[in-house]
Amino acid sequence: GDSVTQMEGPVTLSEEAFLTINCTYTATGYPSLFWYVQYPGEGLQLLLKATKADDKGSNKGFEATYRKETTSFHLEKGSVQVSDSAVYFCALSDLRNTGNQFYFGTGTSLTVIP
Amino acid sequence: DAGITQSPRHKVTETGTPVTLRCHQTENHRYMYWYRQDPGHGLRLIHYSYGVKDTDKGEVSDGYSVSRSKTEDFLLTLESATSSQTSVYFCAISERATNTGELFFGEGSRLTVL
Repeated sequence: GDSVTQMEGPVTLSEEAFLTINCTYTATGYPSLFWYVQYPGEGLQLLLKATKADDKGSNKGFEATYRKETTSFHLEKGSVQVSDSAVYFCALSDLRNTGNQFYFGTGTSLTVIP
Repeated sequence: DAGITQSPRHKVTETGTPVTLRCHQTENHRYMYWYRQDPGHGLRLIHYSYGVKDTDKGEVSDGYSVSRSKTEDFLLTLESATSSQTSVYFCAISERATNTGELFFGEGSRLTVL
């Protein structure tokens, strides 16, 4: 079945460092891919998305490119800030499925220190 | 922000007691979901609904039941709570007809079963 694997955390970076969080997926169809972010004490919120191969999603300085050949959707940011400290979830969804089910990775906790 | 309200936000109960969590939306979205979030597991789907009175099981449905008698309300019931059901529960909604069927999350309900 469909699944998502993302790199284990926690990740600790200094402010202005480069961030990469790896995400790979397994899917039988042609899913859409997402990155969600969860700030402490809150629910998840969409960070960025890509709906087809070679699409690049971007938001708030974060980027991820849908790579079908490597089944990957790695999250990157060139210069992290303290306010980026959160848990990041990679997810996929195949809209052809009846229930519009989403499959989430286990989450990667990021802490950015000044 | 999507209009999703979860209640109660916090609950402590004892093993063997019934518990009902409520999710209320004001967005008129067709799809509603219940997830649980646990360390090391990310988010796991419990049940979902694709319309009034239309529900289906997710990957961790044992010990849980759901009901959806109105578009706006999705109830999650633990008939006889166990300590393994201590978790944070998130409700989510989506409308697949719009773009990629993005998920919108509530703020979560923290349940502790003693």
